[in-house]
Amino acid sequence: SQTIHQWPATLVQPVGSPLSLECTVEGTSNPNLYWYRQAAGRGLQLLFYSVGIGQISSEVPQNLSASRPQDRQFILSSKKLLLSDSGFYLCAWSRLAGEREQFFGPGTRLTVL
Amino acid sequence: GESVGLHLPTLSVQEGDNSIINCAYSNSASDYFIWYKQESGKGPQFIIDIRSNMDKRQGQRVTVLLNKTVKHLSLQIAATQPGDSAVYFCAEFRTDSWGKLQFGSGTQVVVTP
Repeated sequence: SQTIHQWPATLVQPVGSPLSLECTVEGTSNPNLYWYRQAAGRGLQLLFYSVGIGQISSEVPQNLSASRPQDRQFILSSKKLLLSDSGFYLCAWSRLAGEREQFFGPGTRLTVL
Repeated sequence: GESVGLHLPTLSVQEGDNSIINCAYSNSASDYFIWYKQESGKGPQFIIDIRSNMDKRQGQRVTVLLNKTVKHLSLQIAATQPGDSAVYFCAEFRTDSWGKLQFGSGTQVVVTP
C-alpha cells in the first residue's frame, strides 16, 4: 500500500531563518506531488505541483520554493521566512496528472515568530 | 477569480441525526466536485465525488447532491457519529487544468451526544 510521510510534524522558526520541509511517498512510482498551505480556519491553497523529477510548477508568487530531487521526494524550502509563512503545510500525491483523488500527508505545523 | 465556497462555517449536529453540509460554487466548467474530510491535526481525506453531469451520488452513509441550476453542492451524512466530527471541504476539479483542485474554506461539523 502507498504511504506518504512528512517531517517535521511541527516547527517553530524565527523570522528570517531558512526552511526545509520534506515529503516522501512510498509504494508507488512516478506520482504527481503537491504542496499546499492551510491558514487557520481556511481552505487549502495549492503552492506547487510536480509531474516528475526536477519539474516544478508554482501556483502563486511567494517566498517559498520547491524541489523534487528524487521521484518520490518533494521538498519545500525558503531562504528567509516571513511571519506570513506560518501555517499548516500539506503534501499530497496522486497517481496521474488529472487524477482527481489526491492523498494527503499528515502535515507540518509551521510557526514563524 | 472563480472559487468554491461554503455557506456555514460551523454545523452542530446531534449524534444519530442527519448532517447536511452545503457548498456554493461559481465555476460552471468544473468536471467533478469532491468532498474531503479533515480531522483535527491531520491531512484531508477523500470522501466522495460527483461528476458534473450527475445530480446525485451515494456512498456509504453519505450522499452528494448537485444542483447545477443554482450552482449548489451538498453532502449529506446519515446517522451522524462522533467520528464524523471534522472539517469538510468541497473542492472542484477540472480535467483540462491538469487536475488541480480548488478548495473552499470548509465547514466545521461538531457532533454532540
